[in-house]
Amino acid sequence: NAGVTQTPKFRVLKTGQSMTLLCAQDMNHEYMYWYRQDPGMGLRLIHYSVGEGTTAKGEVPDGYNVSRLKKQNFLLGLESAAPSQTSVYFCASVLGGKHNEQFFGPGTRLTVL
Amino acid sequence: GQQLNQSPQSMFIQEGEDVSMNCTSSSIFNTWLWYKQDPGEGPVLLIALYKAGELTSNGRLTAQFGITRKDSFLNISASIPSDVGIYFCAGLRGGSQGNLIFGKGTKLSVKP
Repeated sequence: NAGVTQTPKFRVLKTGQSMTLLCAQDMNHEYMYWYRQDPGMGLRLIHYSVGEGTTAKGEVPDGYNVSRLKKQNFLLGLESAAPSQTSVYFCASVLGGKHNEQFFGPGTRLTVL
Repeated sequence: GQQLNQSPQSMFIQEGEDVSMNCTSSSIFNTWLWYKQDPGEGPVLLIALYKAGELTSNGRLTAQFGITRKDSFLNISASIPSDVGIYFCAGLRGGSQGNLIFGKGTKLSVKP
């Protein structure tokens, strides 16, 4: 199993550009999450999904959109990137039910100029 | 939003020393998780705790689920250089759809 993978690993955008981050998991997990990590702020939840076709807002959803068209994939979109979205983005997944352990991907480092 | 208070924020270790860190909250949690993050990588799960009072070990790491369900502790015995990194606690409340609340981390560094 590859676990949780994220694409791309690094990206530099100009203000106003758009992009999509891809998260994929091969563990048949029900729940998936997108976080951003900034120095001194810990991990903050952007959006999450409790199953294929469902999404919900987390703590810091503004400026981001997500889609979960397939169970194994969770996409994070930035429609018009801003410098404040410069961060490291992590995806995580959970099996669901009684199992609450989140497994994280390796991260995507995004810089918005 | 809800927060976990994790302390200390940072600490320096000398090889062979024991290390302790903890997380506290004003709310009750059903699950406590401890993660370690190395530079440039995602957090890796170390220990999961599901019952109040539970004490669980993973090698030199031992974590406890506080009896009040509002805190958790992580101890590392006989630290080694590869223990350096950032340790995060995370708590889960009932009915939260798997949404974890994370502490801000404890950064372990080697004493100069």
